[in-house]
Amino acid sequence: GAGVSQTPSNKVTEKGKYVELRCDPISGHTALYWYRQSLGQGPEFLIYFQGTGAADDSGLPNDRFFAVRPEGSVSTLKIQRTERGDSAVYLCASSSRAVETQYFGPGTRLLVL
Amino acid sequence: DAKTTQPPSMDCAEGRAANLPCNHSTISGNEYVYWYRQIHSQGPQYIIHGLKNNETNEMASLIITEDRKSSTLILPHATLRDTAVYYCIVRVRGKLIFGQGTELSVKP
Repeated sequence: GAGVSQTPSNKVTEKGKYVELRCDPISGHTALYWYRQSLGQGPEFLIYFQGTGAADDSGLPNDRFFAVRPEGSVSTLKIQRTERGDSAVYLCASSSRAVETQYFGPGTRLLVL
Repeated sequence: DAKTTQPPSMDCAEGRAANLPCNHSTISGNEYVYWYRQIHSQGPQYIIHGLKNNETNEMASLIITEDRKSSTLILPHATLRDTAVYYCIVRVRGKLIFGQGTELSVKP
């Protein structure tokens, strides 16, 4: 079956601009996670949703970062006033429930110039 | 902060078993140990997980010590395609806490 998909695969933007990153989870998965991976580092947790609500957003670095999942399926990670330090690979994962195995998408590579 | 410690790199000869160690001395009783790997420019790929019993699947075996303070991932017959960064992870209340991982190089 189809895995987790993320769009776009690559995004180049300028400092100060707004970006949206999209994640389509595996069909039927109720839990969805966002992670960020900087070059040479392991992925870092940002936020996870159980259904439509954010169950844990403790990893969001500041209020420029926001994520939504309005219908409990697709999620969008939104970054306002991007900074060069936001450049990273943004990974999305989903699981059938929050306590089950997470399956990752290919990531969106964000470059802020 | 990551709850696991792994060697930064390891080499393995093709066809031999690769044994990747991990320390997780602060793990709590209900926290699972997960292993993922990441091949360059791809998302992490799930390998195996366990709580306290040893586990085996088509990819690997996971050996967890009785005190749960450490574990070993075993790839029984490593191939060149197993070259990747391997992450040992403790799942904490739903979220995965990654460390730096072990870069495994399988050599012909």
